[in-house]
Amino acid sequence: AQKITQTQPGMFVQEKEAVTLDCTYDTSDPSYGLFWYKQPSSGEMIFLIYQGSYDQQNATEGRYSLNFQKARKSANLVISASQLGDSAMYFCAMREGTGNQFYFGTGTSLTVIP
Amino acid sequence: DADVTQTPRNRITKTGKRIMLECSQTKGHDRMYWYRQDPGLGLRLIYYSFDVKDINKGEISDGYSVSRQAQAKFSLSLESAIPNQTALYFCATSDLGTGGDEQFFGPGTRLTVL
Repeated sequence: AQKITQTQPGMFVQEKEAVTLDCTYDTSDPSYGLFWYKQPSSGEMIFLIYQGSYDQQNATEGRYSLNFQKARKSANLVISASQLGDSAMYFCAMREGTGNQFYFGTGTSLTVIP
Repeated sequence: DADVTQTPRNRITKTGKRIMLECSQTKGHDRMYWYRQDPGLGLRLIYYSFDVKDINKGEISDGYSVSRQAQAKFSLSLESAIPNQTALYFCATSDLGTGGDEQFFGPGTRLTVL
């Protein structure tokens, strides 16, 4: 079974609108971390946001927030007030336990339309 | 200066050649990783190392080997390159501490095997 599933290969959003990128995960370990990364066309991987499995509140970092629904094993990324520079690939990732491995999803390509 | 550097940034080689990709970091992290990225498949873990004496196989280690020469250096070798090893290769580091333990990525090495 896939550890991380991103079901949206491509998404479009109008500039200044909000967009949600979906991510579901699979683990039986009670301790895990969830991450989102952005990969612009230049290729580098940019860390956006982190959510720990024991965190009570949803993580937020500027315009990024993580909608963490533990019972549903989902960790959706919400980008508010989209900007043209948000156009990129977005990857969801999970670290199980104390960090043996990280697992990445297949990514979602986001295009922001002017 | 970048915290995680990779050399070379681009490489074209021929089938059967041995090639080494190098990674250096100045973050002082113990944990280092090698991933490959293929279109539509996200990032897949090749090898990881938690300290100089610790090397572990990841999801797709066949055809690859690694060397952890020092805390700051982690090299990936393709003993006999084949065309399906054409990919974007990333080195990453992490440090399990309080809060998030996100991975920090190098800029990537684009490898083409003819």
